[in-house]
Amino acid sequence: TQTVSQSDAHVTVFEGDSVELRCNYSYGGSIYLSWYIQHHGRGLQFLLKYYSGNPVVQGVNGFEAEFSKSDSSFHLRKASVHWSDSAVYFCAARMPNYNVLYFGSGTKLTVEP
Amino acid sequence: AQTIHQWPVAEIKAVGSPLSLGCTIKGKSSPNLYWYWQATGGTLQQLFYSITVGQVESVVQLNLSASRPKDDQFILSTEKLLLSHSGFYLCAWSLGGRGEQYFGPGTRLTVL
Repeated sequence: TQTVSQSDAHVTVFEGDSVELRCNYSYGGSIYLSWYIQHHGRGLQFLLKYYSGNPVVQGVNGFEAEFSKSDSSFHLRKASVHWSDSAVYFCAARMPNYNVLYFGSGTKLTVEP
Repeated sequence: AQTIHQWPVAEIKAVGSPLSLGCTIKGKSSPNLYWYWQATGGTLQQLFYSITVGQVESVVQLNLSASRPKDDQFILSTEKLLLSHSGFYLCAWSLGGRGEQYFGPGTRLTVL
């Protein structure tokens, strides 16, 4: 089995700050990783994904994430946040050839003016 | 452009009553389809997935069932609701198993 952990339940920053949201996974083989955003009471929106190749992947709205096999991590970053980035962010993982997506517990990002 | 629609938007049901939630995807042929459940303030748990019409695989047992009667339709149902079924139900689609998933707006279910 695999698990996805997001160690920070809440992160608060000011507009214009940089932010890093952490995601760690536990699985020894190849893994597909992704990040999703959920604004209050709504469905999820895809941000970015990593399958192979360049460990730094770019997503929408200035987000990027870096995969590290040695750290079993896939942290999400943004250089300068906007108030509209306030939402819950979910990290997700899937094994190749399996149609099951495992989500972390989510990190609520609050961006203050 | 592809669109994903879920119905109803919200439901309030009594314990022991039946339930049927629907999901329709327009603009994509033969997508993979998924059902998720999210407890209030919680993470997402995948319930079912379907790769093709008439075939549905269960991921967890929560006294729910799913069916895919048409290529663009995915139905979640149960004959007897439990209090623990309350939550937010999300439908999603992807192209193949590797692709990112696109989520619908969700259905809020309250079981009393």
